[in-house]
Amino acid sequence: DAGVTQSPTHLIKTRGQQVTLRCSPISGHKSVSWYQQVLGQGPQFIFQYYEKEERGRGNFPDRFSARQFPNYSSELNVNALLLGDSALYLCASSRIPGQGEMAFFGQGTRLTVV
Amino acid sequence: QQQVKQSPQSLIVQKGGISIINCAYENTAFDYFPWYQQFPGKGPALLIAIRPDVSEKKEGRFTISFNKSAKQFSLHIMDSQPGDSATYFCAASSRDTGRRALTFGSGTRLQVQP
Repeated sequence: DAGVTQSPTHLIKTRGQQVTLRCSPISGHKSVSWYQQVLGQGPQFIFQYYEKEERGRGNFPDRFSARQFPNYSSELNVNALLLGDSALYLCASSRIPGQGEMAFFGQGTRLTVV
Repeated sequence: QQQVKQSPQSLIVQKGGISIINCAYENTAFDYFPWYQQFPGKGPALLIAIRPDVSEKKEGRFTISFNKSAKQFSLHIMDSQPGDSATYFCAASSRDTGRRALTFGSGTRLQVQP
């Protein structure tokens, strides 16, 4: 079975631009969460989606948004990029939100803002 | 109160030795404590997890010890191998309004010398 797949793997954007990151969860998993991992730190929770509805949001500005599609894949959008948005963006999937402990991560999208 | 504090920041162990990583938390609502292993360029991979009704859990060379009264938990890697060299993250989650966002520690960079 394929694991969590994220695209693209690497991305370079300019300050002020907008970016869209994509995630396909493990087959049978209906919940997707997004995390931001700044170099040298642990991942920080951004969003959780289940059945196309937002179930949780971390302490991130409104420039960050996400959505989940009927096939349970998800997109994370970041507007008006800042240098500080440079990070590894991780997607994690689980069967249902209540089983967030069985969260499986993709390899991430490395975003560099210049 | 959502913080998880992890130590040490880095650790060097000889092959065959025991690696010990410690974490402490404040939020008594946390009820699930996983450990993740992350290699460079990869997403975190779930290693082992414990719930607070158990004081110890062992899976192969990996053991979690949990002290509920002290609000501390630790990862022990027995017979450490060079292939164990990676960054390890402790995490915690709570049954909070239906979502289970993971709160991560800051990570421990483990180097096992041959």
